[in-house]
This record gives sequence, C-alpha cells and structure tokens, in this order.
Amino acid sequence: AQSVAQPEDQVNVAEGNPLTVKCTYSVSGNPYLFWYVQYPNRGLQFLLKYITGDNLVKGSYGFEAEFNKSQTSFHLKKPSALVSDSALYFCAVRDDSNYQLIWGAGTKLIIKP
Amino acid sequence: KAGVTQTPRYLIKTRGQQVTLSCSPISGHRSVSWYQQTPGQGLQFLFEYFSETQRNKGNFPGRFSGRQFSNSRSEMNVSTLELGDSALYLCASSGRDRALYEQYFGPGTRLTVT
Repeated sequence: AQSVAQPEDQVNVAEGNPLTVKCTYSVSGNPYLFWYVQYPNRGLQFLLKYITGDNLVKGSYGFEAEFNKSQTSFHLKKPSALVSDSALYFCAVRDDSNYQLIWGAGTKLIIKP
Repeated sequence: KAGVTQTPRYLIKTRGQQVTLSCSPISGHRSVSWYQQTPGQGLQFLFEYFSETQRNKGNFPGRFSGRQFSNSRSEMNVSTLELGDSALYLCASSGRDRALYEQYFGPGTRLTVT
C-alpha cells in the first residue's frame, strides 16, 4: 500500500537559515510526489511536484525539493527561511489504485526572527 | 481566474442535524475532490467527482454523500451529524480528469457540531 510519512511534527528555524522539511514515501510503482502549504485559516496551496525528470524540483516561493529514489525521500528545502514561511506543510503521494493523493500528517514550520 | 470557492465558511450544527456544503471549482475544471481535515486524523479523502459522476470514494460512512452538477459545482451532504464530524472540509478542483496533477484548494468550510 502507498503511504507517506512526515517524521517531524514541528521544525524550528531561525530567519535567514536554510530549512528542510522531511518526507518519505512508499509506493509500488513510480512515485508522483507533491508538497502543499497551508497558512492559518486558509486552504492548501500547491508548492511543487515531482513526476519524472530532474531530482531537484523547483517550486513556488523559493522552495525546492529533492527526490531521492534510493532513500525514498522527497524533502522540501529553502536556502534562506523567511518568517512568512511559517505554516503547515504537507507532503503527498499519488495512490496508484485511484489516483487520489495520500497525505502526510503535516509538519508545522516555525521561522523565528 | 477566480479560485475555488466554498460556502459557507463557517457552520455550527447540532448533533443529529444534516448539513450541505458547496464548492465552486475553478472555471474549466471538471474534477472536484472533497477532504476532511482534523487535528487528529489529518487530511482524509472523502470522494471525487468528475462530469457529475463519483469517480472515487474514501473510507467514510454512508452519512457522507456528494454530488456534482453540470456546471461542475459540487455539494457534499452529511446527515445525522455526530460530534466527530467537526472538522475543516476542503474542496479541491483539478483541470485533469483524474486529479492526477496539482489540485487547487478552496479555503474550506469549518463545521462545528455541538
């Protein structure tokens, strides 16, 4: 069965430092992976996706994610964190049986000034 | 292009009542998916509609139902509300017929059952 895990409930980073939000997945075929962000009292916003191709995927708001097939990971990264990046981040993988997204539990990212 | 809209934004209902939530997708999008978001269970898939047909269904009881109209607008209904139904209900639309690629989410409807 397909699954996705976000091992950290919360990540704290100082403003200006690089940030990483971790995601690992388990799929039977080729993974289709996504990152979304949710700001307070708002719906989810799409950040980036990996379907195929380059392992480093660039997305919105300066975020990027690195696909690592051997480690079955798809970590979200940003070189220099902003306070406005503070939000809830979700990793998702496509379920091959019904093409729906399976979601991680979410990681709360807190950027301190 | 207008985004996904959901109405109402907030609802307070009593146990045993029923509720109907509405979602208008982005113009041209034909796939609409519904999710329930709770602190304890995270995001859980309810169902997906495409061209007025339910394509997929998550693992929710029959009290949860939905439909899609010819203009792609969708509604979900929850009957005989329980306290545990309190959640943020999110609707997402996609331009792809299988929600294969990115989904665009509405702001959600916050349902509180008392």
